[in-house]
Amino acid sequence: GAVVSQHPSWVICKSGTSVKIECRSLDFQATTMFWYRQFPKQSLMLMATSNEGSKATYEQGVEKDKFLINHASLTLSTLTVTSAHPEDSSFYICSARRASEQYFGPGTRLTVT
Amino acid sequence: RKEVEQDPGPFNVPEGATVAFNCTYSNSASQSFFWYRQDCRKEPKLLMSVYSSGNEDGRFTAQLNRASQYISLLIRDSKLSDSATYLCVAAGFSGGYNKLIFGAGTRLAVHP
Repeated sequence: GAVVSQHPSWVICKSGTSVKIECRSLDFQATTMFWYRQFPKQSLMLMATSNEGSKATYEQGVEKDKFLINHASLTLSTLTVTSAHPEDSSFYICSARRASEQYFGPGTRLTVT
Repeated sequence: RKEVEQDPGPFNVPEGATVAFNCTYSNSASQSFFWYRQDCRKEPKLLMSVYSSGNEDGRFTAQLNRASQYISLLIRDSKLSDSATYLCVAAGFSGGYNKLIFGAGTRLAVHP
C-alpha cells in the first residue's frame, strides 16, 4: 500500500515556541493532504485540508494563523504550530489522498511544557 | 450531538468470542462508510468499507442501514491480536473533498 511518513514522530517544546511537522507521501504524489488532531480517548478531528500550490482550507474553529499549513510540493505538506501552548499538546496525524483512499501517516505526538 | 457516535467500551472478551460494535451517524448526506482500527499511539488503519448489502472479510462482517443511519461491525472468533480501538467513519463530499468524520472509537480487549 501507499506510504506516508511524518517527522518528527514526537516532539517536546516549551510554551511560546513554534513547531513544524512534516508529512510526506513516499511513493505517490498527493495533491491533497489532510491534517487531523486527536486528544486522548477522543476521535480524530479534521483540522484542515492542504492543497498543493494553494491555500489550505481550515475547519470551523481552527485558527489558521496559529496552525500554518504549507503544501509546496506534491509530496510534502507541513503544519507549523505557532506560539504553542500546553493545550496544543496532542497527537497530530496527516493523511494523503490517492485516488479515492486516504493513507495515514504514523502521527506526531506533541507535548508543550 | 456528535456526527458519528460509538459506545466507547471497553469490551473485554475471551479469545474465540464473537463481539459486535455499533455506530450511528447524524448526517444523512454521508455517502461512504468505513471501519478503521487504531492501536495505541498509532495511526488508524483501514479495516474495511461498509456497504448496505453487507460485506465480509474473513472473521469481520460489516453492515450499513441507511434508513436508521446505523453501522455495525461483527468480529467472530476473536484473537488476542484483535485488541485495539475500532473507529467508525462516515464520509461525504464537502468543499470538493471526500471528508472523513471519525467516531471516538470502541475499545476492544481480548484476553486469553
